[in-house]
Amino acid sequence: DAGITQSPRHKVTETGTPVTLRCHQTENHRYMYWYRQDPGHGLRLIHYSYGVKDTDKGEVSDGYSVSRSKTEDFLLTLESATSSQTSVYFCAISDTDKSPYEQYFGPGTRLTVT
Amino acid sequence: AQTVTQSQPEMSVQEAETVTLSCTYDTSESNYYLFWYKQPPSRQMILVIRQEAYKQQNATENRFSVNFQKAAKSFSLKISDSQLGDTAMYFCAFMKHVPGYALNFGKGTSLLVTP
Repeated sequence: DAGITQSPRHKVTETGTPVTLRCHQTENHRYMYWYRQDPGHGLRLIHYSYGVKDTDKGEVSDGYSVSRSKTEDFLLTLESATSSQTSVYFCAISDTDKSPYEQYFGPGTRLTVT
Repeated sequence: AQTVTQSQPEMSVQEAETVTLSCTYDTSESNYYLFWYKQPPSRQMILVIRQEAYKQQNATENRFSVNFQKAAKSFSLKISDSQLGDTAMYFCAFMKHVPGYALNFGKGTSLLVTP
C-alpha cells in the first residue's frame, strides 16, 4: 500500500472555526490531491498540487485553501467552517513519472461541522 | 468539464455469478484514461482497473475486466465469479492530462454480493 496518512481521521468542529487537515506521504510523489465525498456526488476535486508551493483549484474550491511547503505534506484549510463542509475528505497522491496516471488514496477524514 | 455517469445506483449479484457495472462519459478529448475504483465499507479507495483511451484492447485484472467502447464513450466493468468481498461501492473515473491529472468521478454503484 502507498504510504499515505491523513490526520485527524475524525473531527467535529463548530461553524465559523478554522480547521486544517493534513495529508502526509512517504512515497516522494509529485502530485497530491484533496477530494471530498458526499452522498450522491461521488468524489469531487477541491485542490491539487503539482510540486512544492505549486497548487491549483479544483471543481469545489470555494471556502478552502491549501499549502504545500514540503513534498511530503499537503494541508487543506477551511478558514471558517460551514455546515456544508461536513464531508469525508480524501487525500490522494500520484507520480506520473513512475506509475503513470494511477492515484493512491489515503484513509479519509470524516469532518462534521455543527 | 467531463461528465461521468453511472446509471445503476444499486446492484445485487449472487456469489459466483457475473455482474456488469455500467459507466458512460462525455469528453471532447482524444487522449485520456479511465479507471474503476472500489470502496468497501472500510471507506478505503482501491484501484481496481485502468484503461488508456489509445489502447483498443480491453484491460483485465484477474476476475475484473472492462468493455471499453471509445466511440460510444462507454466503459463498463465486468466482475466474474463474484465473491462476498466484492461487496462495495464502485466508482468509475475519468482522467485527462490537464489539469493536473485529476480524476472526475461518477456517483457510484453500490454492489451487494449475496450468498
